[in-house]
Amino acid sequence: NAGVMQNPRHLVRRRGQEARLRCSPMKGHSHVYWYRQLPEEGLKFMVYLQKENIIDESGMPKERFSAEFPKEGPSILRIQQVVRGDSAAYFCASSPKPGLAGSYNEQFFGPGTRLTVL
Amino acid sequence: GEDVEQSLFLSVREGDSSVINCTYTDSSSTYLYWYKQEPGAGLQLLTYIFSNMDMKQDQRLTVLLNKKDKHLSLRIADTQTGDSAIYFCAEPHRGSTLGRLYFGRGTQLTVWP
Repeated sequence: NAGVMQNPRHLVRRRGQEARLRCSPMKGHSHVYWYRQLPEEGLKFMVYLQKENIIDESGMPKERFSAEFPKEGPSILRIQQVVRGDSAAYFCASSPKPGLAGSYNEQFFGPGTRLTVL
Repeated sequence: GEDVEQSLFLSVREGDSSVINCTYTDSSSTYLYWYKQEPGAGLQLLTYIFSNMDMKQDQRLTVLLNKKDKHLSLRIADTQTGDSAIYFCAEPHRGSTLGRLYFGRGTQLTVWP
């Protein structure tokens, strides 16, 4: 059973370009989380998706960022018109069940995509 | 829920014990987690503790929970060079049913041979 896969592992973009980050959750997992790790900081929650639904996007910047998790295929985090401040490691995590208050919810993390904006 | 605090650096000699401390924010958190991040890799769940426990032991790892002070610690016995990594504590989002985690900034553990 393959783990969470993310690609590309490294992505370089110039300011103003678009970045598309892909995440394939573990087999059987239908819950996906995206986190961003800025240099020398902890992970910050961005968005939580289930298949074809955005459940919680309260951590997403209001502009330029979007996420989807279609019925078929990987989850995509899309950043339009990237700026230098978007340079970070973006991690995807998946879990087999909903994250409910009071319940154990292990999230399995991918290796991350390291985005560098020139 | 956004101020999970950890010290940033810890250095120990191989064979010694390491203690990594964390202060979390939500006294109602039911599960608290420790994740390990090796260089260039994603996070791996190391261990967790349920809030009705004061201590959990798992081989070389011991987790201590002080709910009154909202303090969590991870002790690694007989620390090895392979334990060198960044260790994050994490708690669920306060009041949320939606499973997002709040992470501390991570403690960089360096183990000297």
